Amino acid sequence: QVQLVQSGAEVKKPGSSVKVSCKASGGTFSSYGISWVRQAPGQGLEWMGGIIPIFGTAKYTQKFQGRVTITADESTRTAYMELSSLRSEDTAVYYCARFGVAVEGENWFDPWGQGTLVTVSS
Amino acid sequence: EIVMTQSPATLSVSPGERVTLSCRASQSVNSNLAWYQQKPGQAPRLLIYGASTRATGIPARFSGSGSGTEFSLTISSLQSEDFAVYYCQHYNNWLFTFGPGTKVDIK
Repeated sequence: QVQLVQSGAEVKKPGSSVKVSCKASGGTFSSYGISWVRQAPGQGLEWMGGIIPIFGTAKYTQKFQGRVTITADESTRTAYMELSSLRSEDTAVYYCARFGVAVEGENWFDPWGQGTLVTVSS
Repeated sequence: EIVMTQSPATLSVSPGERVTLSCRASQSVNSNLAWYQQKPGQAPRLLIYGASTRATGIPARFSGSGSGTEFSLTISSLQSEDFAVYYCQHYNNWLFTFGPGTKVDIK
């Protein structure tokens, strides 16, 4: 069974960037997609974007377009999410999650990483 | 853009009770609907996909139904470990939208 393990908590200054990693162990990596979801304190879940490693092309929701970059390294089975121009409102837990791509309509998120808390503070 | 809404926002329930949570899509999503459970300090966990199929290891007390724009998640007899926030999600071809969640807490 695949397990997603994310990098540790980060504290960043406003205006800086953060890069969070998501490493897959077990199971298949390249032929699935990896999405990134964020959750601000006390709030709901918000999809940011995702990537299918075997194709290498990422897609982003409009809200984060231009500020987020999602990449994947098949050799290390690791996906990355980099968010730039950080502001206090970006303080949140960031999750990665795997989704199926082989069959249309099989795109639910399972499993999820444990989450990475990013705190933006001066 | 498809908007997902959930009701109620909060549900206070006693252990052993039957619970039904609702999720509505602003336009038809066919059966491309998942439910997730999230406990405090934990990542979300997949419960239901395809509107009605339980994920691996999910107890039979959880069931999902609906298609098109109206969906529901039913917990037949609420256990202590089921107190959590439940999210529905539409998924299809790079369109991923979550509902705002329903919190199930102890009455």
